[in-house]
Amino acid sequence: QSALTQPASVSGSPGQSITISCTGTSSDVGGYKYVSWYQQHPGRTPKLIIYEVSNRPSGVPDRFSGSKSGDTASLTISGLQAEDEADYYCSSYTSIRTLVFGGGTKLTVL
Amino acid sequence: QVQLQESGPGLVKPSQTLSLTCTVSGGSISSGTYHWSWIRQPAGKGLEWIGRIYSSGSTNYNPSLKSRVTISVDTSKNQFSLNLSSVTAADTAVYYCARGTAFWGQGTLVTVSS
Repeated sequence: QSALTQPASVSGSPGQSITISCTGTSSDVGGYKYVSWYQQHPGRTPKLIIYEVSNRPSGVPDRFSGSKSGDTASLTISGLQAEDEADYYCSSYTSIRTLVFGGGTKLTVL
Repeated sequence: QVQLQESGPGLVKPSQTLSLTCTVSGGSISSGTYHWSWIRQPAGKGLEWIGRIYSSGSTNYNPSLKSRVTISVDTSKNQFSLNLSSVTAADTAVYYCARGTAFWGQGTLVTVSS
């Protein structure tokens, strides 16, 4: 299985909105609603911030939102804050009953 | 709230088998329909899903690792385990256990070196 495709890096200024894409195929992202997003600060454990494409776990600010169109899922962070600077990973269930991650995106808050 | 804790040797010799255990607290590994996963992350690199197991014992593995991976569950100890055989330096990583996608252990660094 091939890793999902994410941009290596994105950046934005405080208060702005950014979007991170996650592109797969019809055998993973496009075929299922089981797309998740994780935030990972340096030296820390990944934290689930979006599950099933667009649902936020309790405690995750509503500045974080997820969506999907075809084989591409997206994470949008609005009202960017300094604390949002981190690595972001997407994951998807696949047709062979496995999980596949994206390569990760480094978000820099300017 | 469920908590997970990885344990096992931090150093493994090349060609040997890497063995890790994940101890679950705050909930029974047998309850619900959760799956229990192993994920790894080499230093400075991305996440790689290794595989998962259900309390029934049913497993799914990453095709790229399938020939070397075994995940098992011990419901009496509320633990599940990872065995990765014939390791090389490329298997050096932080290894995480997780329940579903929401609850992760803190991770444990395993270095493969002679």
